[in-house]
Amino acid sequence: GIQVEQSPPDLILQEGANSTLRCNFSDSVNNLQWFHQNPWGQLINLFYIPSGTKQNGRLSATTVATERYSLLYISSSQTTDSGVYFCAVGGRETSGSRLTFGEGTQLTVNP
Amino acid sequence: SAVISQKPSRDICQRGTSLTIQCQVDSQVTMMFWYRQQPGQSLTLIATANQGSEATYESGFVIDKFPISRPNLTFSTLTVSNLSPEDSSIYLCSAQGADEKLFFGSGTQLSVL
Repeated sequence: GIQVEQSPPDLILQEGANSTLRCNFSDSVNNLQWFHQNPWGQLINLFYIPSGTKQNGRLSATTVATERYSLLYISSSQTTDSGVYFCAVGGRETSGSRLTFGEGTQLTVNP
Repeated sequence: SAVISQKPSRDICQRGTSLTIQCQVDSQVTMMFWYRQQPGQSLTLIATANQGSEATYESGFVIDKFPISRPNLTFSTLTVSNLSPEDSSIYLCSAQGADEKLFFGSGTQLSVL
């Protein structure tokens, strides 16, 4: 099956800093999503982005499908951005709806 | 976006018993899934809950251990059977919205004694 690697595994920032999280995948995908799991465990969908670039407030994401990677940008980080960020992909060999999750990036934003 | 209600939110069970988790979506959805998240780890897909037919299980998960029902387009249950301490985990229901995004319930934290 498709492999998903996220980096860095851990990231500590001061409030106001910017960061870039990376997701590499081993095969062609037709589905890629970014999630934030807050410290209480709730998973929030940030982006559905199998290709191209999207922005939502301080967050933006870019997927370069031909090079098999996606980036999540967080600007002007806030303490509420803390938590785990997951990248999940669906491969072409399936309907694309069955997602494989990466191991996540644990982000801590300090005041 | 779909709103997903999952219950119970947590339970403590004795080994050898079973726990049934319920998942209700506030709108009709085509795809529903069940995931497991072990402490400090990522999410692993257990199965796709198919409306009106048997669920589709991922490698390593079997129907006898994780029976799933999906009687309609808004509701599904996952039963974790013959519990052992290794089943202690968070179980998550999810649904795919019309915009292809996947949404999650708040999870069920299961502890097996």
